Amino acid sequence: QKEVEQNSGPLSVPEGAIASLNCTYSDRVSQSFFWYRQYSGKSPELIMSIYSNGDKEDGRFTAQLNKASQYVSLLIRDSQPSDSATYLCAVNDQAGTALIFGKGTTLSVSS
Amino acid sequence: EPEVTQTPSHQVTQMGQEVILRCVPISNHLYFYWYRQILGQKVEFLVSFYNNEISEKSEIFDDQFSVERPDGSNFTLKIRSTKLEDSAMYFCASSEALTSYGYTFGSGTRLTVV
Repeated sequence: QKEVEQNSGPLSVPEGAIASLNCTYSDRVSQSFFWYRQYSGKSPELIMSIYSNGDKEDGRFTAQLNKASQYVSLLIRDSQPSDSATYLCAVNDQAGTALIFGKGTTLSVSS
Repeated sequence: EPEVTQTPSHQVTQMGQEVILRCVPISNHLYFYWYRQILGQKVEFLVSFYNNEISEKSEIFDDQFSVERPDGSNFTLKIRSTKLEDSAMYFCASSEALTSYGYTFGSGTRLTVV
């Protein structure tokens, strides 16, 4: 059973702080990793994708991947109240067409 | 910005009835997907579709479910005989290539079975 695990939170940070979100996955053959943001009652929105070990930066977001530890994380710098949402980690399955999602971490940024 | 369109946004149906959820994927995308999210739970894969056939399906996607691309633009999910436990948000998604590039999700259809 392929699993993607996330701490459900809530993770509370003050405005301007760095939010750190973590995810582990069970399937060693996974090749593609994604972070989605989901506001309450809305659909998931792709924020970042990462495929190679190391860091990938896009604006205030940095994704980090460590395949040896089967670990992927998302850092949000200068957190804003509008970043308050549930962040979903997703990993492609072995066949390559499906994404396996974690349950998500709820982030709350206070002003 | 191109988007995936889903209709209806909310559907209420009686248990045992058939429902069809509709989606218009992004026009140049080749891969289409259905996911569902039961309230408070994780997003779950149902089925992927490419070149007019199912590429992959999950254990959830049993004989009660079917998908179809009836024309060049629509992609539908049919649930033949709905059960209470089918109540969920159903998301359609599409992508230009395989999952390696991530998906664009539609806004979802909230299905309520009573």
